Amino acid sequence: DVKVTQSSRYLVKRTGEKVFLECVQDMDHENMFWYRQDPGLGLRLIYFSYDVKMKEKGDIPEGYSVSREKKERFSLILESASTNQTSMYLCASSYPSGNQPQHFGDGTRLSIL
Amino acid sequence: GNSVTQMEGPVTLSEEAFLTINCTYTATGYPSLFWYVQYPGEGLQLLLKATKADDKGSNKGFEATYRKETTSFHLEKGSVQVSDSAVYFCAFAGGTSYGKLTFGQGTILTVHP
Repeated sequence: DVKVTQSSRYLVKRTGEKVFLECVQDMDHENMFWYRQDPGLGLRLIYFSYDVKMKEKGDIPEGYSVSREKKERFSLILESASTNQTSMYLCASSYPSGNQPQHFGDGTRLSIL
Repeated sequence: GNSVTQMEGPVTLSEEAFLTINCTYTATGYPSLFWYVQYPGEGLQLLLKATKADDKGSNKGFEATYRKETTSFHLEKGSVQVSDSAVYFCAFAGGTSYGKLTFGQGTILTVHP
């Protein structure tokens, strides 16, 4: 089975802090994705990566950056956390073919105080 | 543009009732279609998929048929259980780059004993 592991299930940080969310997958997938999930808004794509060191903006990249130094690891960075970034963050990975499903981690519930 | 329209929830049923969650899509080409399920406090899990017209995906008693003529992929289960209480997402892939998925807004299902 595909395993996508997010480093924390719950995280509490303070406004202005730099926050790192880590995601690791064990299936040698080329594509990796970061979403945030908010009530009433569904899943929104923040960033995705189709190869090591490659990244593309999703629908809501403002206030975020990403890093993909190794194929299995995709990091989401909140440069200066703000309270409106309190959310559930989901990481996913997939093969590069356009018709493949994505496999998700368990999510990180992030609270910014 | 590409979009998924899902039946609005929440949906509340009694145990052993019949379930239908409607999903229609707008896309170019012939996308692959997916249903994901999210149990409380967890990430999304792939429930079932269909990759071409008239395919039927099935898993855990759930079924959905890819209807190209009506651009629909409705989720059905003949007899729901309390353990089916979750959020269900319809999604499609294809016609976009890098394996991006287009998700519906999600439908909350609550099953009472």
